[in-house]
Amino acid sequence: GQNIDQPTEMTATEGAIVQINCTYQTSGFNGLFWYQQHAGEAPTFLSYNVLDGLEEKGRFSSFLSRSKGYSYLLLKELQMKDSASYLCAVDPSGGFQKLVFGTGTRLLVSP
Amino acid sequence: DGGITQSPKYLFRKEGQNVTLSCEQNLNHDAMYWYRQDPGQGLRLIYYSQIVNDFQKGDIAEGYSVSREKKESFPLTVTSAQKNPTAFYLCASLDRNTGNTIYFGEGSWLTVV
Repeated sequence: GQNIDQPTEMTATEGAIVQINCTYQTSGFNGLFWYQQHAGEAPTFLSYNVLDGLEEKGRFSSFLSRSKGYSYLLLKELQMKDSASYLCAVDPSGGFQKLVFGTGTRLLVSP
Repeated sequence: DGGITQSPKYLFRKEGQNVTLSCEQNLNHDAMYWYRQDPGQGLRLIYYSQIVNDFQKGDIAEGYSVSREKKESFPLTVTSAQKNPTAFYLCASLDRNTGNTIYFGEGSWLTVV
């Protein structure tokens, strides 16, 4: 089967750093996505990792370890607008035909 | 503007009715997808299409139908056979030219009344 685990909810303070973890057990691996989703809105693309290591994009970074089936999303200098759900998704079969999504981590940033 | 347009944003359906959700993209993407999102659950794939005139069932296709007659359009019909259709529906398309990124439309809320 396909399984992706993320914490359900996290809280952090404005200006801080938060790390959202994602572990996966899938039939194959051809890349991992992170999306941000504000309540009632569509997910927006944050990052895509296919090789091990860290990808940095401004305040957001994403890390992947394929041998451990593990990824994390790192958010720096948190802002109130970062309060959202963060979805981890894996492409197990290649061709992006059937992404498997985790249930998402709801992040609440407080002043 | 380039993007994925879903309509309607909100839709109410009576029991026993079929409804069709529209999804149009002007991004020239070949692949398109329909996902369903329920509270506390991850996105689940309903149908996907890699090219025009071809589509494949996803994990929860029962009670749904699609067509892909044009590259730009991938409408989803929620039939009366779908027993629990109330959900948030997301259409997406795949951009293979910029790192295989999947982009989502704004979503459609369907409520059965």
